[in-house]
Amino acid sequence: QSALTQPASVSGSPGQSITISCTGSRGEIGPYNYVSWYQQYPGKPPKLIIYEVSNRPSGVSNRFSGSKSGNTASLTISGLQAEDEADYYCSSHTASSIWVFGGGTKLTVL
Amino acid sequence: QVRLQESGPGLVKPSQTLSLTCTVSGDSISSGGYYWSWIRQRPGKGLEWIGHIYYSGSSSSYPPLKSRVSMSVDTSKNQFSLRLSSVTAADTAVYYCARTSRYSYIFDFWGHGTMVTVSS
Repeated sequence: QSALTQPASVSGSPGQSITISCTGSRGEIGPYNYVSWYQQYPGKPPKLIIYEVSNRPSGVSNRFSGSKSGNTASLTISGLQAEDEADYYCSSHTASSIWVFGGGTKLTVL
Repeated sequence: QVRLQESGPGLVKPSQTLSLTCTVSGDSISSGGYYWSWIRQRPGKGLEWIGHIYYSGSSSSYPPLKSRVSMSVDTSKNQFSLRLSSVTAADTAVYYCARTSRYSYIFDFWGHGTMVTVSS
């Protein structure tokens, strides 16, 4: 059982927008802004796509955006493309000085 | 470009110790701005942070694994290592090493991962 809760799967059609939620406790997400998101293709390592809740690393499409409200962080992908089909994981550095991950969300582009 | 490469046995017997090494290129482990982490992914499952080590040798690990985890760093070889003792089939996973920012708390560069199977 993962420390952070994500939906197991989401789907959307090309051009649409989808949002993936990531819920933790107050000590895991709460007032901290150290939530990050990773994209993973089968057989590949995860790739950082969002850090500190809403920042994008250089080279990551601006179709990816992040936000947070209370104990829930969210990843939104707009203008869905076939290449976005992948697994997505949230992560947070917690009040206990450890890192926790969500269980992952499989995105299917219909 | 920072590169990380995991190495070690792909098969470990139950109750034995899993040992992996991560070799870093393109950055110095001693640079000070980063932790050096181990993360694993059981087959078909999500990611699990195992722990990290700093170039000074100080380390931190995930509480459920803490009693079985030890880590070390060799700055002369720009490598860091993981040892996980008393393994069981539940430790079968792809093991990744990753560079971890001490300021943004992110895993910004990852190795390709190495599959370790625990089986007799």
